[in-house]
Amino acid sequence: GAGVSQSPSNKVTEKGKDVELRCDPISGHTALYWYRQRLGQGLEFLIYFQGNSAPDKSGLPSDRFSAERTGESVSTLTIQRTQQEDSAVYLCASSRDRGRNEAFFGQGTRLTVV
Amino acid sequence: KQEVTQIPAALSVPEGENLVLNCSFTDSAIYNLQWFRQDPGKGLTSLLLIQSSQREQTSGRLNASLDKSSGRSTLYIAASQPGDSATYLCAVHTGNQFYFGTGTSLTVIP
Repeated sequence: GAGVSQSPSNKVTEKGKDVELRCDPISGHTALYWYRQRLGQGLEFLIYFQGNSAPDKSGLPSDRFSAERTGESVSTLTIQRTQQEDSAVYLCASSRDRGRNEAFFGQGTRLTVV
Repeated sequence: KQEVTQIPAALSVPEGENLVLNCSFTDSAIYNLQWFRQDPGKGLTSLLLIQSSQREQTSGRLNASLDKSSGRSTLYIAASQPGDSATYLCAVHTGNQFYFGTGTSLTVIP
């Protein structure tokens, strides 16, 4: 596709349920990043993939959060046993390689935990 | 840990003015610096990327400069338009992640 695609665009879930967020990066982009943005706050780093490996997952806030990437393409971010503080916009970005190339962001998934 | 600061936090200008947004960072060991704009309820749109070895980049009415040794970058917007109204974010890339500033909220008044 032309850009980074994220789905769903909006998700409302009940507290305690698991959710899965999807990111389709730009074709050929080996670096993929997940960020979280709570309402009125800045962007928080969650995890970085290079290919299918995650050399930096230091931003995952708890063991309820996990992410994987397959085929050097699609990535999924899974949140287990969702809590109200997980409500945020989850943003995915990709770049051709780490560090040297322009990064492009998707439109985000707005997660609301009720 | 890298810290990124943006000044001012908010800016309101009449249409047609030239303006400068400032970004500072604490650790000069960066790969690159990227400027983005964010419109309400939307994702981030890339504006300009400056490699660590570069001093400036230009795109249309936008010019970004980088002084890595002093940990500073500026985004210059010429002849501002109401469509430029958005939040502007700078981000430094340190290898594994981008560190973002808290943004400058720009309003251009027609």
